[in-house]
Amino acid sequence: GQQLNQSPQSMFIQEGEDVSMNCTSSSIFNTWLWYKQDPGEGPVLLIALYKAGELTSNGRLTAQFGITRKDSFLNISASIPSDVGIYFCAGLTGNQFYFGTGTSLTVIP
Amino acid sequence: NAGVTQTPKFRVLKTGQSMTLLCAQDMNHEYMYWYRQDPGMGLRLIHYSVGEGTTAKGEVPDGYNVSRLKKQNFLLGLESAAPSQTSVYFCASRQGAGYTFGSGTRLTVV
Repeated sequence: GQQLNQSPQSMFIQEGEDVSMNCTSSSIFNTWLWYKQDPGEGPVLLIALYKAGELTSNGRLTAQFGITRKDSFLNISASIPSDVGIYFCAGLTGNQFYFGTGTSLTVIP
Repeated sequence: NAGVTQTPKFRVLKTGQSMTLLCAQDMNHEYMYWYRQDPGMGLRLIHYSVGEGTTAKGEVPDGYNVSRLKKQNFLLGLESAAPSQTSVYFCASRQGAGYTFGSGTRLTVV
């Protein structure tokens, strides 16, 4: 299957700091999605990106669809304790989405 | 409430036992998926369906079977459970790029 490399694997940050994570692939994707998963719950969609170069914000979250269509970035500004969770990227090609391995975020108050 | 409902939420099986996980969605989505989530592996696609009566293999289909007899339901079956199938299973449905996940089924095979 398609391989999506997500980094970093985990992050420990102080409340108020900004966060950056990214997802890269050797394949081209037509859509990039970013999800957040809280403990014991299923992933919830944060941001969807549909074309190369697109930059989209959702509150304190900003995501970008890389120009090469092989990568995407998610930034969280001014982190708060409820940002804790696992963040997944997902890329769409054909009828299937492929998921990254996740970035575990811990916010220290 | 609209969404994806998975049952059961937790289950412990003995090796060799069989069981069926049920996924139900009330959003009239065409596409439905079963994933498993393991530590450090992310979400891996087991099987999926692009419409009622259709199923297809995903990335890790071995040891699982599925059925989509009704559009709103997608069943995942384990005929003979193995410890390697200990995992958290997520069902999802999709229309366009709008993926909706269930809250998961935690399965332990001992």
